[in-house]
Amino acid sequence: DGGITQSPKYLFRKEGQNVTLSCEQNLNHDAMYWYRQDPGQGLRLIYYSQIVNDFQKGDIAEGYSVSREKKESFPLTVTSAQKNPTAFYLCASRGGRYNEQFFGPGTRLTVL
Amino acid sequence: RKEVEQDPGPFNVPEGATVAFNCTYSNSASQSFFWYRQDCRKEPKLLMSVYSSGNEDGRFTAQLNRASQYISLLIRDSKLSDSATYLCVVNVPAGGGNKLTFGTGTQLKVEL
Repeated sequence: DGGITQSPKYLFRKEGQNVTLSCEQNLNHDAMYWYRQDPGQGLRLIYYSQIVNDFQKGDIAEGYSVSREKKESFPLTVTSAQKNPTAFYLCASRGGRYNEQFFGPGTRLTVL
Repeated sequence: RKEVEQDPGPFNVPEGATVAFNCTYSNSASQSFFWYRQDCRKEPKLLMSVYSSGNEDGRFTAQLNRASQYISLLIRDSKLSDSATYLCVVNVPAGGGNKLTFGTGTQLKVEL
């Protein structure tokens, strides 16, 4: 089946540790995105990539890093520099009939 | 002013009711518009795109008023399964490309 997968679904991390969230898509989409969602807030854009080997900062990139070495994959690293990393992280790719975004199931990160 | 504003709700309505959600956006250069549905602790999923002339998909009707920078979603004959958060999403020009900006969502609870 075509779609976007994210792993893990739940992740617990100690303060001071870096952690990498996986995002894979087999939709053959060029553009991919990372968002975080906090309770009572809309989705906020962290990083996005329009094409392989290229990516841009979104609205809240500080404390995060990404890579886009393959079209199918867009991993996000949450570094120890991110002040409030506990959140729901959503990966998306863009395409389809309306050029809309399709989301993965998300990773819920908790920093202990 | 927020780029995309929605009434957070919750809207508590009886089964079978008609309910309407509104959304305003601030960037007059916005090019395309969507309604997404998000169930509790799940990823957002596209409900429908919003066309300039308005569009209908079964019990759902979306309207766009560019002059007032206003989008609406009407749900007729609401079902228990319609209970979710509805996100207004606007595609705005940004950095040579486009960016999706999400509202914080309107929560709908359909009750017996």
